[in-house]
Amino acid sequence: AQTVTQSQPEMSVQEAETVTLSCTYDTSESDYYLFWYKQPPSRQMILVIRQEAYKQQNATENRFSVNFQKAAKSFSLKISDSQLGDAAMYFCAYRPYNNNDMRFGAGTRLTVKP
Amino acid sequence: EPEVTQTPSHQVTQMGQEVILRCVPISNHLYFYWYRQILGQKVEFLVSFYNNEISEKSEIFDDQFSVERPDGSNFTLKIRSTKLEDSAMYFCASSEAAGQRYEQYFGPGTRLTVT
Repeated sequence: AQTVTQSQPEMSVQEAETVTLSCTYDTSESDYYLFWYKQPPSRQMILVIRQEAYKQQNATENRFSVNFQKAAKSFSLKISDSQLGDAAMYFCAYRPYNNNDMRFGAGTRLTVKP
Repeated sequence: EPEVTQTPSHQVTQMGQEVILRCVPISNHLYFYWYRQILGQKVEFLVSFYNNEISEKSEIFDDQFSVERPDGSNFTLKIRSTKLEDSAMYFCASSEAAGQRYEQYFGPGTRLTVT
């Protein structure tokens, strides 16, 4: 069974600084997708970034980037130039290539200090 | 920008009662999903639905649960004979098409409280 582990229940960062959120996963599949979702206090989850396992290049979306280490089954999220609006729960998620059963980690609550 | 909507935002029901949670997916989307998040726990996949059929379901999605697309816009989750442990946030999601590269868009959730 695929599992997703986020070992940091809470993280904090100073505004304008950089923070990295950790995620590891366990799978025997070779093709899959990885995601980071943001869940602000309003509770609607929003996709932040997506990585296809077959791509070696790390995905980047503006201030958000990932460090995807396939052999280590690690998928960390880096937020650069943190903003107050980045404060939220962040969920790492895994989805196999051939079905829609998405597995989420327990989440990391990010606090941004002004 | 189109959004997934869910009603009600909060539902309180007594144990043993049936509840129906409603979702309106994004209009051109073809795949629909339900997830739940028990307070303080992970978001868990329940079921995916395509072409008026369940395409995948998790072990959580037992005979107590059913899904339906009663018309061209709504997607519902019915929970029969609710139990205290069904209390959770229930999220609906939809995606444009089949294939894993299509993003799932989530609704704001319905908080279900079973008393």
